[in-house]
Amino acid sequence: DVKVTQSSRYLVKRTGEKVFLECVQDMDHENMFWYRQDPGLGLRLIYFSYDVKMKEKGDIPEGYSVSREKKERFSLILESASTNQTSMYLCATTSGAIQETQYFGPGTRLLVL
Amino acid sequence: GENVEQHPSTLSVQEGDSAVIKCTYSDSASNYFPWYKQELGKGPQLIIDIRSNVGEKKDQRIAVTLNKTAKHFSLHITETQPEDSAVYFCAASKMAGGANNLFFGTGTRLTVIP
Repeated sequence: DVKVTQSSRYLVKRTGEKVFLECVQDMDHENMFWYRQDPGLGLRLIYFSYDVKMKEKGDIPEGYSVSREKKERFSLILESASTNQTSMYLCATTSGAIQETQYFGPGTRLLVL
Repeated sequence: GENVEQHPSTLSVQEGDSAVIKCTYSDSASNYFPWYKQELGKGPQLIIDIRSNVGEKKDQRIAVTLNKTAKHFSLHITETQPEDSAVYFCAASKMAGGANNLFFGTGTRLTVIP
């Protein structure tokens, strides 16, 4: 089974703090994604990466950056957290084959005070 | 870009009844349509998918239909059980470089009443 783990299930941070969310997958998948999930808005893509050190902006990249130094690890960075970044963050991964299933981690619920 | 709309946002059914969730998409080039189920405290999990060369697909109590002309697809759950209670998301994608970017609907919260 594919296993996608996220570093924290719940996180509370203060406005202006730098926040790191980490995602690790154990299936040697090329593609990794970061989404945020908000009620009534579904899942929105923040960034994705299709290879080590490669990154592409998704639909809502503003206020976020990412890092992919190793194939199995994809980090989402909030340089200066703001209250409107309070959300559920989901990491997903898929192999390099076209239209393969995306496997999701359990999510990190972030509260920015 | 692609725009996926999903209805209804909430759905309550009696145990044993059927549930239907509908989605429409805007980009006629989209050719892959997965459905995800998200249980409380978990990430979404794929339950069924359909590709544009197929009109219907079944897997036990769940089925998905696709109408390419009308650009809509639906999830059908028959003989619902309490464990079917969850949030369901539809999505659409097309081939795009090395990664399949999924565009998600806004979700349907299904409640199955025992």
